[in-house]
Amino acid sequence: NAGVMQNPRHLVRRRGQEARLRCSPMKGHSHVYWYRQLPEEGLKFMVYLQKENIIDESGMPKERFSAEFPKEGPSILRIQQVVRGDSAAYFCASSPRPGDYGYTFGSGTRLTVV
Amino acid sequence: AQSVTQPDIHITVSEGASLELRCNYSYGATPYLFWYVQSPGQGLQLLLKYFSGDTLVQGIKGFEAEFKRSQSSFNLRKPSVHWSDAAEYFCAVGAGNNDMRFGAGTRLTVKP
Repeated sequence: NAGVMQNPRHLVRRRGQEARLRCSPMKGHSHVYWYRQLPEEGLKFMVYLQKENIIDESGMPKERFSAEFPKEGPSILRIQQVVRGDSAAYFCASSPRPGDYGYTFGSGTRLTVV
Repeated sequence: AQSVTQPDIHITVSEGASLELRCNYSYGATPYLFWYVQSPGQGLQLLLKYFSGDTLVQGIKGFEAEFKRSQSSFNLRKPSVHWSDAAEYFCAVGAGNNDMRFGAGTRLTVKP
């Protein structure tokens, strides 16, 4: 019973490139959450998605960031035209139902912008 | 607004000694409270959670936490620390909508 799978584990992008981060939730989980962890900080909520729907994107930067969770396949967090300040660890979590706190986190994608 | 404060950025304890990590929260209603542990380069693992009921919560790896409403605290404790407990510990509060608010974390170092 695989946990939340994120890939890649590490991603290096030059300034101005696009970054695509993938998250496959646990089997049977249809709710996905993305968090960002900046160095020396805790996790900050970005977006909450269900299959084919964005439920809450109140933590997403207004520009360059987008997320999707299609009917088939993993959830994708997309960052366009990356800047140095986007360097962070991005974690995905999943749950079987809304408001089911204490969700399971993946191992994260560490994005480095050079 | 909901928030979590972990006053201690870094704590060092000797192996076998007791441990207490502090967590204070700010939330208008009865909170959902959590402790997670993160080993270097890894994701977060849930240690324990409090939703309601008994204010002393038992978790995995020998950890426990006590909810004290009067002090707005949810401190994590372990009676005897092992070297493998060295990690970053995060307290979090369920914010009543869809997200959790995390503290900045406490880094635990264990001396041999």
